[in-house]
Amino acid sequence: EAQVTQNPRYLITVTGKKLTVTCSQNMNHEYMSWYRQDPGLGLRQIYYSMNVEVTDKGDVPEGYKVSRKEKRNFPLILESPSPNQTSLYFCASSNPGQGNQPQHFGDGTRLSIL
Amino acid sequence: DQQVKQNSPSLSVQEGRISILNCDYTNSMFDYFLWYKKYPAEGPTFLISISSIKDKNEDGRFTVFLNKSAKHLSLHIVPSQPGDSAVYFCAASRNSGYALNFGKGTSLLVTP
Repeated sequence: EAQVTQNPRYLITVTGKKLTVTCSQNMNHEYMSWYRQDPGLGLRQIYYSMNVEVTDKGDVPEGYKVSRKEKRNFPLILESPSPNQTSLYFCASSNPGQGNQPQHFGDGTRLSIL
Repeated sequence: DQQVKQNSPSLSVQEGRISILNCDYTNSMFDYFLWYKKYPAEGPTFLISISSIKDKNEDGRFTVFLNKSAKHLSLHIVPSQPGDSAVYFCAASRNSGYALNFGKGTSLLVTP
């Protein structure tokens, strides 16, 4: 089954404790992206990756890092989480280079930073 | 600055009637538009899309209309069903699917 898998689905942690949210897709997609969803703000892009070893900032990259060492994986790293990073996070993937293609989303990771 | 706007946070429609969800955008460079549906505790699910070279795309009960001169698109659901109750996000891209810009969403409630 074609899917985007995020882990963990839920995490409560404390300020300053490094955490990583993993994202994996099995569709051989070149493009992967991270979004955060906040009440009243919709989904905003954090970082994206056009392919292996190619990453770039989205609209709200502050406080986040990413890496793309393999095509299927695109982890989101919070080196020193702060309460304003409490949010619902979504990973997505697609192959836009093959013409208009929709992004497929994971089921989300709810992070609470205390 | 919000480039994609959904000005109705919520919409309530009776089962069997038409649901019309609206979306406006400001960037004339957008060339690909999508609608996503989101249930609680799940990720957004792709529903339907339209390229800027078209003005209408239909898929079963779902039709998306694009008015480029007005920078407006709408999603029509006919007939509406209770299972359609969800949050609907409009999204737009200016490079054929990379970097989606999302609206804030419209919560649709279809009542029996």
